[in-house]
Amino acid sequence: NAGVTQTPKFQVLKTGQSMTLQCAQDMNHNSMYWYRQDPGMGLRLIYYSASEGTTDKGEVPNGYNVSRLNKREFSLRLESAAPSQTSVYFCASEKVGEAFFGQGTRLTVV
Amino acid sequence: GIQVEQSPPDLILQEGANSTLRCNFSDSVNNLQWFHQNPWGQLINLFYIPSGTKQNGRLSATTVATERYSLLYISSSQTTDSGVYFCAVAYNQGGKLIFGQGTELSVKP
Repeated sequence: NAGVTQTPKFQVLKTGQSMTLQCAQDMNHNSMYWYRQDPGMGLRLIYYSASEGTTDKGEVPNGYNVSRLNKREFSLRLESAAPSQTSVYFCASEKVGEAFFGQGTRLTVV
Repeated sequence: GIQVEQSPPDLILQEGANSTLRCNFSDSVNNLQWFHQNPWGQLINLFYIPSGTKQNGRLSATTVATERYSLLYISSSQTTDSGVYFCAVAYNQGGKLIFGQGTELSVKP
């Protein structure tokens, strides 16, 4: 039982490049989330998905797109990366009020 | 949207001491969780506690929903308790889960 798996763990991008962060959960949870964590800012919600086929904006959605491919997978795409998107990204899934987090992706945009 | 405020922002303790962390939130919620982020960045769910009191070993939590706050108690602190403690709330289970800015705890031997 792997829980929530994120890939990659580390990534360096040049400004303007695109990439997709992958997230998969094997706990049959309906809700999935993407957060970013910056020093002194806590975790800020980018997008979330309450169920397969639905997505909704969080606190900081600009510059990101998401796709809930199926119940297991929820991906986050940066179409044109900017230095302001340098951060640690966390994916999470939730059931009955208990959220489980992936290990995080440390993204640097230069 | 919901606002979540945690206090204190930082806390330094000697091993063995007790502490209380507070989480205030701006609206009625049906989902409140406490998390611990260890020094390696891993986030672990401690409690799901939209109301009432729960205990797990040296940790306990109380939420007074009518007054919109929650408290996390750590007793007999250990160095392994170090890290950042986050409170997160949502209107419902499976809804937008919004985090506070955390309390950074450092337990000294």
